[in-house]
This record gives sequence, C-alpha cells and structure tokens, in this order.
Amino acid sequence: NAGVTQTPKFRVLKTGQSMTLLCAQDMNHEYMYWYRQDPGMGLRLIHYSVGEGTTAKGEVPDGYNVSRLKKQNFLLGLESAAPSQTSVYFCASSPGGTGPWNGYTFGSGTRLTVV
Amino acid sequence: AQTVTQSQPEMSVQEAETVTLSCTYDTSENNYYLFWYKQPPSRQMILVIRQEAYKQQNATENRFSVNFQKAAKSFSLKISDSQLGDTAMYFCAFMKHAYGGSQGNLIFGKGTKLSVKP
Repeated sequence: NAGVTQTPKFRVLKTGQSMTLLCAQDMNHEYMYWYRQDPGMGLRLIHYSVGEGTTAKGEVPDGYNVSRLKKQNFLLGLESAAPSQTSVYFCASSPGGTGPWNGYTFGSGTRLTVV
Repeated sequence: AQTVTQSQPEMSVQEAETVTLSCTYDTSENNYYLFWYKQPPSRQMILVIRQEAYKQQNATENRFSVNFQKAAKSFSLKISDSQLGDTAMYFCAFMKHAYGGSQGNLIFGKGTKLSVKP
C-alpha cells in the first residue's frame, strides 16, 4: 500500500551540484509526473511520462531532465543546481487511458534547497 | 492554453461555520474534469472532490460540495460545518480530454490558504 514514494524527502545542494530525485509507484500506473511547488505559484508541471520509455516537457522544464526506464520509476535530474530551483518537488501518477479519471496519486514531496 | 484562477489567496472561517472557496477557469474544451485538492501542513496532496464537466449535477462528498457553473466557467468549493482539521491549502485543478480520449495533465490554480479558527 505504498502508493507513490519519493526519495529523498529533504536535500540541500550547493550551486552547481547535481542530483537525482527518485519517484516509485506500485500501482501499475501508466502516467507519471513531476511538479514543483513554490509559494504563491501553485503546482507547475516540469516533465511527464505517458509510458515506459517516453517523456515530455511540461510548463517549466528548463534545467531538469527525466527518465522513465522502468514503468514504476520516474527520475528527475538536476545537472547543475541553481538557487532558482529551490522548491518542493512532487511526483504523481495516474492510470492514464480513457478514464474514469480520479486525478492523481501524489507522493509526499521533496524539499530541495540550493544554496 | 487552459488557466485556473483562485482569487482568494487566504481565507478564514470559524469552526462549525460554512465557507466557500472560489475557482474560475478558462478553456475552449467541452469535455474535462475539475478537482479540488487539499494540502494540510503535512504537505500531502489529498483529493477532496471531483466534477465531470458533462454532468450537470454538482458533486458532493460529505461536508464538501461544489457549485459547478459550466457556462460561467466557475467551480467553487463549499465546506460545511468547518472543522479544525480543514485548515490547509486548497487547490483547484483542471484536466482536459486529450486527443483520442486519453488523459490530459492536471493544471493547478495558485491555491487558497484556509484557516479554521476555534
């Protein structure tokens, strides 16, 4: 009954460092998403995937890369972290397909601080 | 492109009272879903209620109900008998039908911070 699991939950990076956020889901969902949440901005879509081996850009993709090598995992990478990437990152998944659509299942978030 | 607007950054309500959170959206789509998510201080995103655009009947989940006005592109959330545990950020979200009937992406409003006071 894990649902969507994000690791790590907290991280502090120095400017220019790289890191990878891992998202894992055990619900056999086809679609996975990465969002960032900033104060006063709501949640904005970074990248998403509609199936294993496929990825697509969302609203704010610059500075991030993603990979979906396995259906259950969706990785978000920061190659050279910048202070502007300080945020809370949420992973989510959904069954996809033609519905019914019950929204997404979200992970608990990763708070990333870039100093 | 679709947009979701929540015009109330913060609201407060007394315990046991009723409060309504506003949400408007802009779309040229005819088939879509609307959602309200709750984010308590724990940061977890919790689905509160959803509405299918082709259904005229307003969705209800216990103390939570919506007023869906499709022509006006309005989707407000009413919380009755407010409880201290309702204190949270509330996000309105939109999801369209993509081509072929497949699922679109969730587009969020900026949120309304609700405080329930004892």
